[in-house]
Amino acid sequence: KNQVEQSPQSLIILEGKNCTLQCNYTVSPFSNLRWYKQDTGRGPVSLTIMTFSENTKSNGRYTATLDADTKQSSLHITASQLSDSASYICVVSARYGGSQGNLIFGKGTKLSVKP
Amino acid sequence: GAVVSQHPSRVICKSGTSVKIECRSLDFQATTMFWYRQFPKQSLMLMATSNEGSKATYEQGVEKDKFLINHASLTLSTLTVTSAHPEDSSFYICSASSGQGVSSNQPQHFGDGTRLSIL
Repeated sequence: KNQVEQSPQSLIILEGKNCTLQCNYTVSPFSNLRWYKQDTGRGPVSLTIMTFSENTKSNGRYTATLDADTKQSSLHITASQLSDSASYICVVSARYGGSQGNLIFGKGTKLSVKP
Repeated sequence: GAVVSQHPSRVICKSGTSVKIECRSLDFQATTMFWYRQFPKQSLMLMATSNEGSKATYEQGVEKDKFLINHASLTLSTLTVTSAHPEDSSFYICSASSGQGVSSNQPQHFGDGTRLSIL
């Protein structure tokens, strides 16, 4: 069964600290993995997209890693800011041929950055 | 950057009415548009995928006669919730991509969602 599990479910850190969010998946055949940031009451914003051959991708203070062998991904946030408080969602896309596919969403990690 | 506009942002209406939600890509052509719903403290659930000029592909368990999707142009898709009932109350979010299908490596750009409340 295709699944995406994220940990921790929630996280509280102090402003300026670093943190790492985890995403484990059992999706096959794998197409790509995405990290999104979703502020409360808003639509998600794409942070990174990684395909099978990519191990790491950065977007400013956000760095995502992908280990396709162990089917694990992480999102590292450096020097956190109050505006980083949001839910971070890991989404894995499975490819079933042609343009059809399947998106499997994790339940997200709710990050709270405190001053 | 790519902008997706979703309208309205909030709707409150009586049970039995139909509600139309618009999703527009403002500065790019959206080959594929997606419709999601999200319950409180839950992640997004994909409802359907639509390609311009063709019928939408609905996810299992989503009633196509209940949630009508029209993708008439490369910049506009609409979701109509027909004969809405309180259980349809949710946060509906659209996204648009210049890629083909859900497995495309092109990013999905999300609207800011529509909060639908059925009384």
